[in-house]
Amino acid sequence: SQQGEEDPQALSIQEGENATMNCSYKTSINNLQWYRQNSGRGLVHLILIRSNEREKHSGRLRVTLDTSKKSSSLLITASRAADTASYFCATVRMNRDDKIIFGKGTRLHILP
Amino acid sequence: DSGVTQTPKHLITATGQRVTLRCSPRSGDLSVYWYQQSLDQGLQFLIHYYNGEERAKGNILERFSAQQFPDLHSELNLSSLELGDSALYFCASSVAPAGRPNTGELFFGEGSRLTVL
Repeated sequence: SQQGEEDPQALSIQEGENATMNCSYKTSINNLQWYRQNSGRGLVHLILIRSNEREKHSGRLRVTLDTSKKSSSLLITASRAADTASYFCATVRMNRDDKIIFGKGTRLHILP
Repeated sequence: DSGVTQTPKHLITATGQRVTLRCSPRSGDLSVYWYQQSLDQGLQFLIHYYNGEERAKGNILERFSAQQFPDLHSELNLSSLELGDSALYFCASSVAPAGRPNTGELFFGEGSRLTVL
């Protein structure tokens, strides 16, 4: 079963607006990672946040982690057409089997 | 370029056949993961190897098997293929195995697109 579940499943916004995607997970984690996938291509790592961190920034990306709620959010500010892609969260579970589990992703479409 | 190489990029075959997908991890990475992505679906974890040893299995069918060789490349074998096996199969590599405090990012190949007719 999926460990992480992204919300919403799909999101369309105007270029220049901010995009927020959420990820919920079920078990305690070592870290949570966000990836981007352009259509039919391999996934590209965006950012990793560890369980003892609450917020992390990388360029136009801001990730938050709330371990009490078992949730994370990815904010993309000042969106661009090139941000159109699917975004996945992945969880590395704490002291568990050696799996990295992905959610089903959020499909983000930036409208010109 | 992630440094992870997957071959073949595309493969079309018939039901009942067997195929082998190959993955060369990034130089220095000891961990290899295999994932299956069906149309409009997320990534389903199949199996994880670290330095030649199987470390974790996901919902991998009995018709599927994998191994990691001493040179660290990995192969995913799919047999008795069914229509539902049509998917993108991704390999990813990382330095450390999962489940560790220092587990870091995965580097993905471009995938092998399998079409079963």
